[in-house]
Amino acid sequence: GQQLNQSPQSMFIQEGEDVSMNCTSSSIFNTWLWYKQDPGEGPVLLIALYKAGELTSNGRLTAQFGITRKDSFLNISASIPSDVGIYFCAGQRGSQGNLIFGKGTKLSVKP
Amino acid sequence: NAGVTQTPKFRILKIGQSMTLQCAQDMNHNYMYWYRQDPGMGLKLIYYSVGAGITDKGEVPNGYNVSRSTTEDFPLRLELAAPSQTSVYFCASSTGVFNSPLHFGNGTRLTVT
Repeated sequence: GQQLNQSPQSMFIQEGEDVSMNCTSSSIFNTWLWYKQDPGEGPVLLIALYKAGELTSNGRLTAQFGITRKDSFLNISASIPSDVGIYFCAGQRGSQGNLIFGKGTKLSVKP
Repeated sequence: NAGVTQTPKFRILKIGQSMTLQCAQDMNHNYMYWYRQDPGMGLKLIYYSVGAGITDKGEVPNGYNVSRSTTEDFPLRLELAAPSQTSVYFCASSTGVFNSPLHFGNGTRLTVT
């Protein structure tokens, strides 16, 4: 099946540090999305990217849609304990909304 | 705002039993989806629907059935539960407008033993 390669798989960082994670694909996507999942809950949309090269921020989060349309990254600045969770990238190709998800990056933040 | 509501939250089934996972959304979204999430993996699409009366297979449809008789509800049916169907199931919805993001429910954790 189609795959997104998301890295790193997990990160253990100190509160206040910056975080960077990325997703790559062998296929082109029209839209890149970044979700966060807290334990026992469904994924919640953080940032949506719609154009190649687009750079979008949401508070301390910044994400970019790669120029080739085959990759995206998410940065979190000055991490805080509530940033803990699993972050998923997702690519959307067609108009029917089907998403292809990466395997997730598990973020742990030490106070 | 209820958003996407899934029931039950947890369920244990014996092999061969059947059950229906319920999903309802109150946002008048046309598009609805069922995903499964296995440990350490991303979400994989089981079935989706672009409107009442219309359903289509996703990446991993085998062993499941769906129906969409109303805009609000999109139940997922397991007829003969197997251990391979142990997973967390997420329902999602979207407006269907191009590039509209998905809104997820809180999931149903299913164990088949």
